[in-house]
Amino acid sequence: GESVGLHLPTLSVQEGDNSIINCAYSNSASDYFIWYKQESGKGPQFIIDIRSNMDKRQGQRVTVLLNKTVKHLSLQIAATQPGDSAVYFCAERKGGSYIPTFGRGTSLIVHP
Amino acid sequence: EAGVVQSPRYKIIEKKQPVAFWCNPISGHNTLYWYLQNLGQGPELLIRYENEEAVDDSQLPKDRFSAERLKGVDSTLKIQPAELGDSAVYLCASSFSGGDGYTFGSGTRLTVV
Repeated sequence: GESVGLHLPTLSVQEGDNSIINCAYSNSASDYFIWYKQESGKGPQFIIDIRSNMDKRQGQRVTVLLNKTVKHLSLQIAATQPGDSAVYFCAERKGGSYIPTFGRGTSLIVHP
Repeated sequence: EAGVVQSPRYKIIEKKQPVAFWCNPISGHNTLYWYLQNLGQGPELLIRYENEEAVDDSQLPKDRFSAERLKGVDSTLKIQPAELGDSAVYLCASSFSGGDGYTFGSGTRLTVV
């Protein structure tokens, strides 16, 4: 069936480096995408979102890129900090629904 | 603001025993969601309430799982009897109708032994 998934289960980076977390989706009807951060013992926390009519959206230290041609989504974190260590999930919402469908997470480990 | 409050944070029970989880949503949020999250996986929706009405419970295993939101505010999710495979984190989320303000609680980690 259609799903949202991640390429890399674990990403290790050094503090100060830039991080890129990737996500592939297969549902062409999805028109809204969200990145969540989940720290140990906590629920997923909204980071940034993007609508399908956009290619790029920037937040504070984070950028989401959307490539609809290849159904690919990425989250870029600039100057990664130890506090960024967490599991990151991408999620999609289909048109007309506000329920996100989550993919498998990527664990980001930031070494001081 | 307290956010979405869930209790207990952790629960360990023997298989075949009942267990219940409680969720108090953010004040004013009339939509409440219960999710199941297995290790390394994203949350999977079990049931969604609009006020006191369950409007999407297609993923809820109704032979052993039940939920209620009697007054349209807090909610309880119950499993009876629990099985080993039910070990997971049970997350609650809430939002305004239409999805604005979508916020997760910290979850209840259930271990069935």
